[in-house]
Amino acid sequence: QSVVTQPPSASGTPGQRVTISCSGSSSNIGSNGVTWYQQLPGTAPKLLIYNNNQRPSGVPDRFSGSKSDTSASLAISGLQSEDEADYYCAAWDGSLNGRVFGGGTKLTVL
Amino acid sequence: QVQLVESGGGVVQPGRSLRLSCAVSGLNFRTYTMHWVRQAPGKGLEWVAAIMYDVNTKYYADSMKGRFIISRDNSKNTLYLQMDSLRAEDTAVYYCAADSSGRGTLEYWGQGTLVTVSS
Repeated sequence: QSVVTQPPSASGTPGQRVTISCSGSSSNIGSNGVTWYQQLPGTAPKLLIYNNNQRPSGVPDRFSGSKSDTSASLAISGLQSEDEADYYCAAWDGSLNGRVFGGGTKLTVL
Repeated sequence: QVQLVESGGGVVQPGRSLRLSCAVSGLNFRTYTMHWVRQAPGKGLEWVAAIMYDVNTKYYADSMKGRFIISRDNSKNTLYLQMDSLRAEDTAVYYCAADSSGRGTLEYWGQGTLVTVSS
């Protein structure tokens, strides 16, 4: 059971805006930056968002991240079928002295 | 072109050991913090360990402490994970990942190597 919590599933229709939440505590999200990863079926994870809201080059601006207190969110606007994947948030946890991943959210594009 | 290539996975009996390697090319390896992350079949990502560019600073997930050792050889651009006293619950795909920030931004990932612990 992860110390960082995500909803197990989310869904939306093409063109819609979807948000995925990530809830933690003062020892992880509350005091450290959040990263988000996208994992397409059968592939390695890919960095999507770092430092809460920064996008690496090549990541479409349809993807955005935000953080408030001990929670973070990933928003995907203009949903596309190729966005169907698992999404993970992560942060450093000062109490555990290690990195923690959320349990992952499976996004389905209806 | 950045490449991370893991090797060393396979089937191993419970209680035995295995060493994974991750060969890195296309980036300045000695300046990157390196991580191992694993994923059990059908499950989510689990961070395993990290080693900073200085070779000596290491971090481990609690469940791996005392059984797993992360190391690196900057002269060979290679990351290692020595896994001892393996258990069935260690069965997973093991990914290596590179982090230039030193703060856990895993920018580059390998394709993973499967470790199966079974008698």
